[in-house]
Amino acid sequence: SAVISQKPSRDICQRGTSLTIQCQVDSQVTMMFWYRQQPGQSLTLIATANQGSEATYESGFVIDKFPISRPNLTFSTLTVSNMSPEDSSIYLCSAGLSSYNEQFFGPGTRLTVL
Amino acid sequence: AQKVTQAQTEISVVEKEDVTLDCVYETRDTTYYLFWYKQPPSGELVFLIRRNSFDEQNEISGRYSWNFQKSTSSFNFTITASQVVDSAVYFCALSTAGNNRKLIWGLGTSLAVNP
Repeated sequence: SAVISQKPSRDICQRGTSLTIQCQVDSQVTMMFWYRQQPGQSLTLIATANQGSEATYESGFVIDKFPISRPNLTFSTLTVSNMSPEDSSIYLCSAGLSSYNEQFFGPGTRLTVL
Repeated sequence: AQKVTQAQTEISVVEKEDVTLDCVYETRDTTYYLFWYKQPPSGELVFLIRRNSFDEQNEISGRYSWNFQKSTSSFNFTITASQVVDSAVYFCALSTAGNNRKLIWGLGTSLAVNP
């Protein structure tokens, strides 16, 4: 397993602003993932972030809205840009740590957009 | 197509009851992995177990047990003698060898264990 931390743990933001969420893993990992989870719902994958390459976005998510950085094997950031109340959600990062595809998750960032 | 179905949206039991959470999956891949995660009210997702498609052996860990049956494409999770601390949302997930390690998630089952 791994210890994954996220910052901030929660934030309240104004419409039209941007927030950058940081995800730190205590070991080197090739693949990191960013998810959104709306209240009472399952997880939706936003993008896969591999070190040294552009993030791969899922259908419905675009780089202009959710730019991702992956500067090294232990760190990634997700920016939620030009926020609207519809972006209010929990954002989770995870790390793929083994050859068996399991993922370990950070504690999440609870975002509220007013 | 790949899919995970958790037909039980919410389950409510009284403490010390046994409870089984159902998970049915669909995939055409012969190599795949199945997972259960727990999400307590705090929100953090906790990895519980992984099962490989080539290993149908059931597993027991304390009060938790998992029944993997390829014949019915099911990977059910049983909690024996449930406790209030087991109250959480439980997610079943699927990943295949060829899908870039992405997880396909069920909708989750919310378990409430009442004292």
